[in-house]
Parts: sequence; C-alpha cells; structure tokens
Amino acid sequence: QSALTQPASVSGSPGQSITISCTGTSSDVGRYNHVSWYQRHPGKAPKLMIFDVSDRPSGVSNRFSGSKSGNTASLTISGLQAEDEADYFCSSYTSTSTLYVFGSGTKVAVL
Amino acid sequence: EVLLVESGGGLVKPGGSLRLSCAASGFTFSYAWMSWVRQAPGKGLEWVGRIKSKTEGGTIEYAPPVKGRFTISRDDSSNTLYLQMNTLKTEDSAEYYCTCNSGYHTVYWGQGTLVTVSS
Repeated sequence: QSALTQPASVSGSPGQSITISCTGTSSDVGRYNHVSWYQRHPGKAPKLMIFDVSDRPSGVSNRFSGSKSGNTASLTISGLQAEDEADYFCSSYTSTSTLYVFGSGTKVAVL
Repeated sequence: EVLLVESGGGLVKPGGSLRLSCAASGFTFSYAWMSWVRQAPGKGLEWVGRIKSKTEGGTIEYAPPVKGRFTISRDDSSNTLYLQMNTLKTEDSAEYYCTCNSGYHTVYWGQGTLVTVSS
C-alpha cells in the first residue's frame, strides 16, 4: 500500500490533455511544496519530470506541468504523444520520520 | 551521462546479511546527497534512507522499518554508495534503487538490484 494515492491508469488520444492526481495528507502533499513527478518506461530508470510541485528540469518538455491544491497534486500532460506512454509516479517530502513518500504509480496509455 | 549502477543483490536467508553497492559517475559524487529506495514485488516505492554529503555534515537518516538493521555509507574516493543490510527479514525482499538527490527531490535513479530474503 502506497502512502500517496494515484489512479491505476489514465488514457488519452494523441494531442489530448490528461491529468494524473496524487492524493496525500496534511503531513506531506498538503504541508510542503516538495512534490515531484517521475516517468518510468519499462526496463529503464525513472526520469524526473517535475519537482517542487510545478518546476520543470532542464530538457523536460513544457507539455508537462504540475500543480497542487490542498492535499492533492496533479501532473498534466498536454498534447499527448505516443512517447508519453509510460508509468508515472509522484513523491512528496513528509513531516514523518519516513522523510519521503511515494505514489502507487499511474499507467498512461496513448490510444 | 549520469550513471548509477547497483550491485550486490541476491538470495539470502532470513537473519542474514547483504551489502549493496552503487557505482556513480557523470556528476560530482562527493557533493551529492544520496538515498536508497526500494520496491517490494507488487508494492509501492518505499524510501529506505539518505546520506548527506560530507561537506554538509554527512548526516544519515533511516526509515523506521530499517533503522538499527541497515547502514548507509559512502566512499567519495571511489564514487560509491553502500547499503549494509543486517538481520534481514522476508519483508525486506525488494528491488533496491540507488538515487541522487537535489533539494527535496530525486534527480537520478539507478536501474535497481534485486534482494530476495527467503529460506
């Protein structure tokens, strides 16, 4: 059981926008602006896509954006492309002794 | 190119020990905060622990399930991160990932090494 809740799957057609939610608690997502998102293709190491809720690392497409409201963070992928098909998971800093918690992961399918 | 390559995983009996290594390249390892994260089969990711750079105190923190049994260390001369795991339990079975942190997020991940604790 993951500490952060994500939908198991989200799908969309090429060119559409999709949003993945990441729900935590007032001890993690709701308390800190330290939510990050990662993309993982099968057999490859995860790649950082968004950090500190909405910041994009250099080299990440501006089609990826992040936001947060209360205890829920969101990752939006606009202009969906075939290469976006992957697993996405979120992470947040937490006030507990665990320091970091992760989401269960969401499989994005491009129809 | 940044590379984090874990090794040392394998099959070990409950109560046994194992040491994982992570060879880092492509960035200034001595300045990096490094962590271990694991994922048990069919479960979510779980943070195991973190070691800060020596220049920032070298502080080490552990998740409650592994505190007192696992030890994280680093050798900046060889750009290697270690995870010494003692008194292993079946619930420690997982893919173990070495990660490089910046601020409050993980910048780079390794591919993982599998640890199986079983009699």
